[in-house]
Amino acid sequence: EAGVAQSPRYKIIEKRQSVAFWCNPISGHATLYWYQQILGQGPKLLIQFQNNGVVDDSQLPKDRFSAERLKGVDSTLKIQPAKLEDSAVYLCASSLDFASGGAAGELFFGEGSRLTVL
Amino acid sequence: TQLLEQSPQFLSIQEGENLTVYCNSSSVFSSLQWYRQEPGEGPVLLVTVVTGGEVKKLKRLTFQFGDARKDSSLHITAAQPGDTGLYLCAAYTGGFKTIFGAGTRLFVKA
Repeated sequence: EAGVAQSPRYKIIEKRQSVAFWCNPISGHATLYWYQQILGQGPKLLIQFQNNGVVDDSQLPKDRFSAERLKGVDSTLKIQPAKLEDSAVYLCASSLDFASGGAAGELFFGEGSRLTVL
Repeated sequence: TQLLEQSPQFLSIQEGENLTVYCNSSSVFSSLQWYRQEPGEGPVLLVTVVTGGEVKKLKRLTFQFGDARKDSSLHITAAQPGDTGLYLCAAYTGGFKTIFGAGTRLFVKA
């Protein structure tokens, strides 16, 4: 079974530039998450999708961050304009619904996209 | 605000030693997960505990969920260099939400 795919793995940009990250979840996983992990910290949820609807985006800085999940499969996370404090690893994860046999809280992560803002 | 506190934050030990890391909260959770994250990789799920007092073993790793479902511990017996990594606890809070602790960074020296 293929895992969660993310790209690019690494990105270096200057502040005020824009960047986009892409995620393809595990096939059949209805729930998709974007987490931000700053060095030395645990992952912080940015946005959570159930199919193509948003479940939670309360911690997404909406003035500069946006995310979409068209057709309930792939997702894109965009940052525009980037700030120095956005330097972090952006992790995408997916999970299986209860109705499909998934266990609550069990997430499957991609390798992450490391962003450096100069 | 629901928080998960992990301790210690950092642990450096010799190969063969035993260790325990903790995950504590004042909130009750439906389930709790432990993940291990290696440098440059995403977290990988190790175990899920659901029932208060539950103990699960995964080779040399023993996971325990507190009776009140507010805390958990991870015990590693005879640590090996391959156990090096960031150990994260995460809790399912209901309403489709999962929160993470800040992690315990473990370094096992050969």
